[in-house]
Parts: sequence; structure tokens; C-alpha cells
Amino acid sequence: EIVLTQSPGTLSLSPGERATLSCRASQSLISSSLAWYQQKPGQAPRLLIFATSSRATGIPDRFSGSGSGTDFTLTISRLEPEDFAVYYCQQYGSSVGTFGQGTKVEIK
Amino acid sequence: QVHLVQSGAEVKKPGASVKVSCKASGYTFTSYGINWVRQAPGQGLEWMGWISVHNGNTNYAQNLQGRVAMTTDTSTNTAYMELRSLTSDDTAVYYCARSCSGNSCYMIYWGQGTPVTVSS
Repeated sequence: EIVLTQSPGTLSLSPGERATLSCRASQSLISSSLAWYQQKPGQAPRLLIFATSSRATGIPDRFSGSGSGTDFTLTISRLEPEDFAVYYCQQYGSSVGTFGQGTKVEIK
Repeated sequence: QVHLVQSGAEVKKPGASVKVSCKASGYTFTSYGINWVRQAPGQGLEWMGWISVHNGNTNYAQNLQGRVAMTTDTSTNTAYMELRSLTSDDTAVYYCARSCSGNSCYMIYWGQGTPVTVSS
């Protein structure tokens, strides 16, 4: 089973700042099969990025994904008030999918 | 538009089983897989498994093997997740989510979640 490790656990930033979230896989991912989700309290997760760097429909271009192999990054170029939430990475290249433990982006 | 509507909240005693349903609409049910994901209170997301609606193939998380069963009913466009031998550690919100394709992959569309509480 592929283990995903996200860092940091919590990111304290102000609106307008840049957020950089990391997701490291225990083994190289097939075909860059990594997705990112945003989750707010009481809501289902929302897909942001798939295939490492492709934005889902309707996702603002301030969200971008990058990486390859075992190291992946989600960047939010300028934080908007609605971006403060928990973010999860997910790998789907193996027959058993896994999520990272999440990074909380909170208002400083 | 795509909708996944899940069954309502459940309260179960330890050792019992729970079966959660997920009714799909707005797309061709047999063309996409269904994933199940759960989230314990205050915790992160846990991928439970996936079923191919097309042929019934399943993949389950290792820690749930032997206790979980995912099925579908193509006559009613409904997916089911049954979890047996419940313990308090199974208290969580359970989500169904449609795969991006017939295979297990990323998830665009999610159900509203079904809270399951396991308590004596």
C-alpha cells in the first residue's frame, strides 16, 4: 500500500499570501496519478486537481499542482478568504487508493 | 447533472452490521466506478474501496478486508457498502463518490455523506 505523507500539518497564513502544500509518496506514482481535494467543515471533499496538475472544472487558476515520482505540491498563489480549509492529496495509480493525512490552512 | 444521494444516518451496536446506499442519477451508471471513503470525527479521509459497476470487480483497503462488501444494483442505479462486525472505531461519516472512469481513480462527484455511530 502506498503511504502519502503531507506537510506541514497546519499552515497559518494571511489572505493574499502564497500557500505551498507538500505530499510525499512512499513509492513512485504511476502516470502522475495524484489528486488534491479541499474540504470545509460539514461538507464533502471537493476535487481541485487531478493527474498532478490538471485543474478540475470551475477551479480558479490560483490553484496549481506540480510534481512527479514521489514528491508533489499544491500551490495557492494568493489566498482568498474561502480558501481556508483542509487539503488532502490522494493517489489512485495503484489498485488500492490512499489519502494523505491532510494539511489545514488556517487564518493567521 | 450528476447526483449521488445516500441513505440516512445510522446508529448501531458493536458487533452489528450496517449497509449504506448511494443512489446515482444524471449519468450512465455502468460507465463509472464507485468509491467509498469514510471520515472519523475530527480525522482525515480514509479510502475504503472501489467497485466497478460494469463488472462488479472490487478492491478494498487492506485494513477492511473481510469486513466490507461493496455491491451495486444496476436496475435501480444504486451502490451499496456493507460493513460487518462494527466497533466504535467505525464511527464515521461514510461517503460514496463516483470515479472519473470505469476504473478506480479520482473523484469528482460525492454523496452528501451518511453518519454512522457505533455505540452500546
